[in-house]
Amino acid sequence: GQQVMQIPQYQHVQEGEDFTTYCNSSTTLSNIQWYKQRPGGHPVFLIQLVKSGEVKKQKRLTFQFGEAKKNSSLHITATQTTDVGTYFCAGAPNNNDMRFGAGTRLTVKP
Amino acid sequence: DSGVTQTPKHLITATGQRVTLRCSPRSGDLSVYWYQQSLDQGLQFLIQYYNGEERAKGNILERFSAQQFPDLHSELNLSSLELGDSALYFCASSVGNRLNTEAFFGQGTRLTVV
Repeated sequence: GQQVMQIPQYQHVQEGEDFTTYCNSSTTLSNIQWYKQRPGGHPVFLIQLVKSGEVKKQKRLTFQFGEAKKNSSLHITATQTTDVGTYFCAGAPNNNDMRFGAGTRLTVKP
Repeated sequence: DSGVTQTPKHLITATGQRVTLRCSPRSGDLSVYWYQQSLDQGLQFLIQYYNGEERAKGNILERFSAQQFPDLHSELNLSSLELGDSALYFCASSVGNRLNTEAFFGQGTRLTVV
């Protein structure tokens, strides 16, 4: 069935370094969402991308949706300790399905 | 605080037993979603209800069932529990009926089956 693959599984960075996580789908997605889950917390919605090639920014976070609508990335510039957590992508092949990636766990060393 | 309330926060029960998890959505949200998060399976969509009716179904086992009541709160029933059912169960809610919209998650119920 349709899978959403997310890499890397873990990323450990020094504070101030950049961080990127990638999601790839085997099928075209109608949209993709990104969530952040802090340790011990619940997923929190960050953003939704709908259009082919779309790029959205939230302060130090940049989200991209691929031209073929099969892949997406989240890039964090100059990481801070508050960025620690697991970042999930969630791809929707249609309005009635949602598949989460396995998540990328980010740790930041001060 | 997302506005989504889940009870209980923790639940410990024995294999073969039945439990009910409860969720109250954000005020005004008509959709409720249930997710299971385990270490080896990640976040799995189980089922969605919209305004009292089942809207979409994911990887939900036959031993599991859910419903949404007229006041829009929802319950997830897990029966004949197995050790592998131990996980975090999240409820989320949204305004619309489409699964692929922004959802607000509750704090989750941690279920431990012993």
